[in-house]
Amino acid sequence: GAGVSQSPSNKVTEKGKDVELRCDPISGHTALYWYRQRLGQGLEFLIYFQGNSAPDKSGLPSDRFSAERTGESVSTLTIQRTQQEDSAVYLCASSLGRGGGQPQHFGDGTRLSIL
Amino acid sequence: GNSVTQMEGPVTLSEEAFLTINCTYTATGYPSLFWYVQYPGEGLQLLLKATKADDKGSNKGFEATYRKETTSFHLEKGSVQVSDSAVYFCALDTSGAGSYQLTFGKGTKLSVIP
Repeated sequence: GAGVSQSPSNKVTEKGKDVELRCDPISGHTALYWYRQRLGQGLEFLIYFQGNSAPDKSGLPSDRFSAERTGESVSTLTIQRTQQEDSAVYLCASSLGRGGGQPQHFGDGTRLSIL
Repeated sequence: GNSVTQMEGPVTLSEEAFLTINCTYTATGYPSLFWYVQYPGEGLQLLLKATKADDKGSNKGFEATYRKETTSFHLEKGSVQVSDSAVYFCALDTSGAGSYQLTFGKGTKLSVIP
């Protein structure tokens, strides 16, 4: 497809389980971002990948969160030992690069619910 | 640090009413400014943007002017439709100053009634 694709669209899991979220960026987009959106809140930046450079992990809330990206393709966000406060919509975005007002294109998100 | 402040919602308007959603920002350097829209059940979509002072972004009847002197980027539409019901997010990007993630406001929910 032409847009950013995320899977699964919904995930319900028990507290303490690990989850893995997937993002397929738009082809040719070198920059990829993960955000978290809690109910009624704005977006919180989590992590940023740009090409083969070291990622900016400054937004990850704890060491239970990690993300990987191979080259300029798919990214996975992993949350280990999930807690109820991890319940949120996790959004992925990609862009042609950074700077110059390049807009970010968002996927529809993964709605994560921790029981 | 960078921050974006939006007017709190929800905002409820009748069809064909005039819309203003206020947005002010604090940033180092010279940010690019964006409005994103999130329709019910969908992801965020870029609505419009402006990359320098006095630029006006426009799309789908919406407009916003980058005002450096008042650090504002208010969103306006002259006549709203039911289909405009969504959550609107103001955001800034200070890539030119070394950071590269978008800083978002908390969002303003708009409901347009027939």
